[in-house]
Amino acid sequence: AQSVTQLGSHVSVSEGALVLLRCNYSSSVPPYLFWYVQYPNQGLQLLLKYTTGATLVKGINGFEAEFKKSETSFHLTKPSAHMSDAAEYFCPMIKAAGNKLTFGGGTRVLVKP
Amino acid sequence: DGGITQSPKYLFRKEGQNVTLSCEQNLNHDAMYWYRQDPGQGLRLIYYSQIVNDFQKGDIAEGYSVSREKKESFPLTVTSAQKNPTAFYLCASSIVTGVGTGELFFGEGSRLTVL
Repeated sequence: AQSVTQLGSHVSVSEGALVLLRCNYSSSVPPYLFWYVQYPNQGLQLLLKYTTGATLVKGINGFEAEFKKSETSFHLTKPSAHMSDAAEYFCPMIKAAGNKLTFGGGTRVLVKP
Repeated sequence: DGGITQSPKYLFRKEGQNVTLSCEQNLNHDAMYWYRQDPGQGLRLIYYSQIVNDFQKGDIAEGYSVSREKKESFPLTVTSAQKNPTAFYLCASSIVTGVGTGELFFGEGSRLTVL
């Protein structure tokens, strides 16, 4: 069965520091992977996605993620945290369009001034 | 602008009452989904529909019902049979075939509180 594991339900970073959110997947075939951000009491917004091609994916708000098949990972990074990055982040996967997305538990990011 | 509209944003209900959450999309997407979100549990799929007049149960369908009479609409009814209905409910849509990548587009959510 396919699954997604997000390591760390809460992450605390200082403003200006590197943001690193970890996501590992388990799938019998290379999946499509996504990172979404959710601000309090709002829906989810797409940050970036990996389908095929280049394994380093750049998204909005300065975020990027790298698909590493050998490590079954799709970690999200941002070089310098901003207070506005405080939110919850999700890394769902899908095996192919038309299938259901599989979500992990999410990681809540706290940014300290 | 294209998007997904959920209403109401906040809803209070008494125990034993059914309540219906609205979800409308003008993205011309084939598939629509309902998720439930509880603190620390991520998103759990309630129901989904890939075509009009057809829908499937997700992982936690008990106590919920849906209909898909129109492509753009996918209302969710939380029935009195749902034991713990207080939660944040999210509606989403996606392209099913062709150039779609499975990416979900989400509404702003509806927060249901049972008093």
